[in-house]
Amino acid sequence: GENVEQHPSTLSVQEGDSAVIKCTYSDSASNYFPWYKQELGKRPQLIIDIRSNVGEKKDQRIAVTLNKTAKHFSLHITETQPEDSAVYFCAASRGTYKYIFGTGTRLKVLA
Amino acid sequence: DVKVTQSSRYLVKRTGEKVFLECVQDMDHENMFWYRQDPGLGLRLIYFSYDVKMKEKGDIPEGYSVSREKKERFSLILESASTNQTSMYLCASSPRPGDYEQYFGPGTRLTVT
Repeated sequence: GENVEQHPSTLSVQEGDSAVIKCTYSDSASNYFPWYKQELGKRPQLIIDIRSNVGEKKDQRIAVTLNKTAKHFSLHITETQPEDSAVYFCAASRGTYKYIFGTGTRLKVLA
Repeated sequence: DVKVTQSSRYLVKRTGEKVFLECVQDMDHENMFWYRQDPGLGLRLIYFSYDVKMKEKGDIPEGYSVSREKKERFSLILESASTNQTSMYLCASSPRPGDYEQYFGPGTRLTVT
């Protein structure tokens, strides 16, 4: 069936370093790829997304890249700060309404 | 701001009880979703609804049902709660087909004993 694999499951970086989280999807019809951030005890919130007609998108310190041929996409966070510590979920669209989510990456930024 | 609310933050129920989790959104969104979140498994879709009284099974519908009598309200029902349904339940909504951003509620931590 359709799935999204996400790696790594945990990631620790020093403050100021970069963090990269990678996802691979299986459904070639997926055309929308969001990233959600979930801080401890809070709800997931969209931080960046990319559609299949674009290869890269950037918003300040975060960027997402998409390789449709290889069916993978990545989240890049530069100059990490303690407030970037959270669980990050990637997702790929399924049909008109739904996503399938990855299993999440717990990012710890060490001061 | 979109607001999605859930009826309880924490809930403790006994095995075999019928459990209702309610979700309300205030932005006239067409689509609503119920997920469960478990460590290491991410968010898994239980059911979703794309219109009033319209629903479709997600990836893990067994043991659950849903009701959407009004556009703003989407209820998840555990017909006979079991211990393996102990989890965090998240409701979400999105505006319309193809408008994919989902807005999540705060979650309900359900414990079945």
